[in-house]
Amino acid sequence: QKEVEQDPGPLSVPEGAIVSLNCTYSNSAFQYFMWYRQYSRKGPELLMYTYSSGNKEDGRFTAQVDKSSKYISLFIRDSQPSDSATYLCAMKGDSWGKLQFGAGTQVVVTP
Amino acid sequence: GAGVSQSPSNKVTEKGKDVELRCDPISGHTALYWYRQRLGQGLEFLIYFQGNSAPDKSGLPSDRFSAERTGESVSTLTIQRTQQEDSAVYLCASSRPPSGLQETQYFGPGTRLLVL
Repeated sequence: QKEVEQDPGPLSVPEGAIVSLNCTYSNSAFQYFMWYRQYSRKGPELLMYTYSSGNKEDGRFTAQVDKSSKYISLFIRDSQPSDSATYLCAMKGDSWGKLQFGAGTQVVVTP
Repeated sequence: GAGVSQSPSNKVTEKGKDVELRCDPISGHTALYWYRQRLGQGLEFLIYFQGNSAPDKSGLPSDRFSAERTGESVSTLTIQRTQQEDSAVYLCASSRPPSGLQETQYFGPGTRLLVL
């Protein structure tokens, strides 16, 4: 069993819809949780960074962490075709160090 | 400003050959990471350099893989006697000491390696 599970999709939504993404994990030592966006043939770029449990909002993006359930989510409101990309969850136990990634979910937002 | 750069962007090699992949981190970033991304999969940690400390090599898949870093600058990932299963995108990331609780790893565009 992988430490971080993420549905690879693809997830197709119409423009303007809410995109809902999630990951589950097994290692209770994880405390730092991130979402990265990766466009085709590019490196990942950080979208959201959350420490411990709770919610964090940044513009159209909301990240949620539920450590009791070992479950994290990313919501994208008012989705745009430019949001079409692969979204990777990542996490780690220490403030500084290697990341454990999910497999990534491919999202397609259709006009 | 300049981001993380990697070279070459693409590399095709024959099985059994050695390859060297280069990473130039962002200036002033003390930490440097190598990850591997196989087709349709997430990133897999390979090795981590932090300043002058001994590197964390716990993710290297075999002794055919090695990496070096000169001070806080360029890093080279070397794969000896390449195998077809080494075909992947090799990504480099760098970061500076955490600001508060947040360490942001900035990724380069990757080197796409194809072993024939």
